[in-house]
Amino acid sequence: DTGVSQDPRHKITKRGQNVTFRCDPISEHNRLYWYRQTLGQGPEFLTYFQNEAQLEKSRLLSDRFSAERPKGSFSTLEIQRTEQGDSAMYLCASSQGPVGAYTFGSGTRLTVV
Amino acid sequence: EDQVTQSPEALRLQEGESSSLNCSYTVSGLRGLFWYRQDPGKGPEFLFTLYSAGEEKEKERLKATLTKKESFLHITAPKPEDSATYLCAVQAGDNFNKFYFGSGTKLNVKP
Repeated sequence: DTGVSQDPRHKITKRGQNVTFRCDPISEHNRLYWYRQTLGQGPEFLTYFQNEAQLEKSRLLSDRFSAERPKGSFSTLEIQRTEQGDSAMYLCASSQGPVGAYTFGSGTRLTVV
Repeated sequence: EDQVTQSPEALRLQEGESSSLNCSYTVSGLRGLFWYRQDPGKGPEFLFTLYSAGEEKEKERLKATLTKKESFLHITAPKPEDSATYLCAVQAGDNFNKFYFGSGTKLNVKP
């Protein structure tokens, strides 16, 4: 295992289109997180999975965002009807140990035009 | 209101010039404070966790310390490869909605 993989690395989409991102965590990690990061800011929590169960979502998360982690392996994050404000880096992280000791992927940079 | 503030926003050092980065926080109940390093175009890389005032952690040229109101990341004799954005985060409760990142300090070490 070489780390957390995210695909695609870059995505340009037109406003109103749906997009889906994929995250492959480190195989033995049972916890998976999605974060969003805009330029010059720190990452912002979106959602958390333990195995296949989505245990927590950001209170600020629009219902246009949905995430899945079937069978507790890879995860997908879908954004429906994208808006320009959705432009950001979407980061996936996984962990097995203590809170905060995350391994992050390199992210998917989304640009909505 | 829970808040995490990092200063300075940017720091330029000469190679070998030691300095400190600050992370101040106001949270209702600190469960842990975390430091990360982020290189351009990559996700953050976990460095340290601190749990209680007085605790210190070291890794190579980096040393993190924690008080009741702030944390410092001390960089001793930095090298150009230490150039990156350094992020701190705090856990202020049991759930991840209470896990907050600061905006980071962008460090540039010139040879």
